[in-house]
Amino acid sequence: AQTVTQSQPEMSVQEAETVTLSCTYDTSESDYYLFWYKQPPSRQMILVIRQEAYKQQNATENRFSVNFQKAAKSFSLKISDSQLGDAAMYFCAYRSAKAAGNKLTFGGGTRVLVKP
Amino acid sequence: EAGVAQSPRYKIIEKRQSVAFWCNPISGHATLYWYQQILGQGPKLLIQFQNNGVVDDSQLPKDRFSAERLKGVDSTLKIQPAKLEDSAVYLCASSPRHRVRANEKLFFGSGTQLSVL
Repeated sequence: AQTVTQSQPEMSVQEAETVTLSCTYDTSESDYYLFWYKQPPSRQMILVIRQEAYKQQNATENRFSVNFQKAAKSFSLKISDSQLGDAAMYFCAYRSAKAAGNKLTFGGGTRVLVKP
Repeated sequence: EAGVAQSPRYKIIEKRQSVAFWCNPISGHATLYWYQQILGQGPKLLIQFQNNGVVDDSQLPKDRFSAERLKGVDSTLKIQPAKLEDSAVYLCASSPRHRVRANEKLFFGSGTQLSVL
């Protein structure tokens, strides 16, 4: 079974600065997808960014970018120019590309605090 | 477009009581998911429907949890009887495709926070 680990329970960042969240995963598969979801106090999970394992190029969405290291099974999220609205829980998630059993598996989350 | 609707937002019950949660996915979305999120943890999939058929319920505690999706639209998740360890947020999500693609985005509701005393 795949597992996703987020080793940082909480990260603090000054407004306008950059913060990097770590994520590692364990899988024996070669074809899969990785995601970062944001969960604000409203509890509604929102997709931030996604990465396809067969693509070497790291995904970028505005101020959010990832560092995907397939051999190391590492998938970190960088938030640049942090804003107060970025304060939330962030969850890393894995999903197999196989049709069978491809449920989304989440890590334990990292809380991001943004200081004004 | 309207998002995924869930109710109630909060529920407090005594252990051994029954409880039901309701979810209305985004109109036209074929796939519906129920997740359990225990405090301090990431969400865990309980059950996945495609239209009104069950695709994956391998992590659903079937001795006490049940779920149905009426006519492939609304869904209810029931716990009977509830235990203390069922205290969690129950999140509903939907995605548009009938044949799920692994890279597709899930749209989540705001969840129901259940406290079992």
